Amino acid sequence: DSGVTQTPKHLITATGQRVTLRCSPRSGDLSVYWYQQSLDQGLQFLIQYYNGEERAKGNILERFSAQQFPDLHSELNLSSLELGDSALYFCASSVARGEQFFGPGTRLTVL
Amino acid sequence: AQSVTQLDSHVSVSEGTPVLLRCNYSSSYSPSLFWYVQHPNKGLQLLLKYTSAATLVKGINGFEAEFKKSETSFHLTKPSAHMSDAAEYFCVVRAISNFGNEKLTFGTGTRLTIIP
Repeated sequence: DSGVTQTPKHLITATGQRVTLRCSPRSGDLSVYWYQQSLDQGLQFLIQYYNGEERAKGNILERFSAQQFPDLHSELNLSSLELGDSALYFCASSVARGEQFFGPGTRLTVL
Repeated sequence: AQSVTQLDSHVSVSEGTPVLLRCNYSSSYSPSLFWYVQHPNKGLQLLLKYTSAATLVKGINGFEAEFKKSETSFHLTKPSAHMSDAAEYFCVVRAISNFGNEKLTFGTGTRLTIIP
């Protein structure tokens, strides 16, 4: 158990809908990272937050957004969902720039 | 720019024989390098990391990796494979620019199969 929690574990929704994925980092970790893992794209870095502020951006679509709250948990919002957004979404946390600890992931299925 | 190339998408070895998973990288900055393992339906777990200290890095579960700057490689090895090693392995390069921006790049993964 990495200490990073993600909810929900599974999510099934329809195209055009909006969903929110939640991540709670390890106690004391200020950085939160979001990743998307799909069969065709592999593991892609989406975005990083550090202590509430956006720190780095990867291959995140404009339909996606994230935020980190004062209690350091983070949410990833995915809107106008398409079939191709079906994937595993991972959250990771770290102390500043230390190694990242990954959560168990949220499996999103868009029908 | 930085990139990671995992040279084998699939590797199969017999139980008890050595494991070699190959990774080459490129980076404009002094990189940190990591190997992560992902078991089916699980998140990624850190195996080991290189952060400019000793070039031979020992990790969990008997794995180790050697950073070779001249070859831009960071291959993962284990002397004797165990059935529980069957999983997907990811090589990751992390670089921090002069402006303090952090960038992580993941390899495409190597699926390790252990033959009983």
